Amino acid sequence: EVQLVESGGDLVQPGGSLRLSCAASGFTFSMYSINWMRQAPGMRLEWIAYIGHTGETKYYADSVKGRFTISRDNAKNSLYLQMNSLRDEDTAVYYCAKDRGHCNGGNCYRYHDSWGQGTLVTVSS
Amino acid sequence: DIQMTQSPSTLSASVGDRVTITCRASQSISTWLAWYQQKPGAAPKLLIYQTSNLESGVPSRFSGSGSGTEFTLTISSLQPEDFATFYCQQYDNYPYTFGQGTKLEI
Repeated sequence: EVQLVESGGDLVQPGGSLRLSCAASGFTFSMYSINWMRQAPGMRLEWIAYIGHTGETKYYADSVKGRFTISRDNAKNSLYLQMNSLRDEDTAVYYCAKDRGHCNGGNCYRYHDSWGQGTLVTVSS
Repeated sequence: DIQMTQSPSTLSASVGDRVTITCRASQSISTWLAWYQQKPGAAPKLLIYQTSNLESGVPSRFSGSGSGTEFTLTISSLQPEDFATFYCQQYDNYPYTFGQGTKLEI
């Protein structure tokens, strides 16, 4: 059974930093790309970062680009999100989500077939 | 960025009803659309991918259709466990984007 378990969420002051982790099990972690998503209270889901299965390819939403860094350790079956310069609007539940999909020529189309339970990040003074 | 708009935002229905939720994209996304169900305090659950493909284990009362910019999610006969919020998501282009959600309530 696929399991994704996030941790590291906390209360942090604006301008502060936090590192989230996502521990994966039940599948061959190194073969799949993974994402971070978030959901602010009462708001829609937001995709914020993608990392390819080797860790070489990364994409970010504009809202976090330059402040957040996604990384992975395939030997530890773990995904990370380093969050710096945190703002009030970063307050949300953060989810890791595993990709499934396919590539056709140079284009790849990926949806998210498994999600963790989420970890809450609160940015407030 | 591709904007995703769902309608209605809230839908009141009863057990046994047939309901349809619409999702519109601001530009064509071919059939690269997924639907997720989210219950309060829980993570989203994949229901449908590539517009009309049912995820394994999802009941056949759920179905999806559409292409280009207009898509629908239909539940043929509502069951008590179906009351939740539903989100569409385009995965044609990064940044992947979600609709604002449709809350299905009794």
